[in-house]
Amino acid sequence: AQSVTQLGSHVSVSEGALVLLRCNYSSSVPPYLFWYVQYPNQGLQLLLKYTTGATLVKGINGFEAEFKKSETSFHLTKPSAHMSDAAEYFCAVMNQGGKLIFGQGTELSVKP
Amino acid sequence: KAGVTQTPRYLIKTRGQQVTLSCSPISGHRSVSWYQQTPGQGLQFLFEYFSETQRNKGNFPGRFSGRQFSNSRSEMNVSTLELGDSALYLCASSLTSGGAETQYFGPGTRLLVL
Repeated sequence: AQSVTQLGSHVSVSEGALVLLRCNYSSSVPPYLFWYVQYPNQGLQLLLKYTTGATLVKGINGFEAEFKKSETSFHLTKPSAHMSDAAEYFCAVMNQGGKLIFGQGTELSVKP
Repeated sequence: KAGVTQTPRYLIKTRGQQVTLSCSPISGHRSVSWYQQTPGQGLQFLFEYFSETQRNKGNFPGRFSGRQFSNSRSEMNVSTLELGDSALYLCASSLTSGGAETQYFGPGTRLLVL
């Protein structure tokens, strides 16, 4: 069975600092991996996804993630945090049937 | 293109009642998935419809049901509501089903069961 683990339910960074949100997955088949962001009282917005090919994936708002098969990881990074990045972030793996399996989410706070 | 729309946005019901939520996918998208989001359980898959057929189902009791119409709009029904059904219900649409299709989410319907 596939599963996703996000390390740290809450991450706090200063504005301008590096953002690193950790995601590890388990999957018996090559995974399709996604990062979504959720702002308060809103739905989920796709940040980026990995399917095949280049392991470094660039997304919207300056975020990127690197697929590391040997570490079964798909960590999300952004070089410089902005106040508007404060939100909840979800890592997800898609199973063969098209069902998204989500991690528990990481709430990102950005301090001025 | 308009995004995924969900109605109503907010709903208050009492235990034992039933509720129907609606989702209109992005134009041209034929797959609609439903998810339940709660603080305790996080995001959990309910079911997926593609071309009016249920393709996938999550681990929810039979009180949760859905359907999809020929125009791809989908409805989700919960009968005999329980307090634990209070949640944000999210609908997502994608062009096709399976593979690496990106799912685009609506704003959700927040259901409160009293």
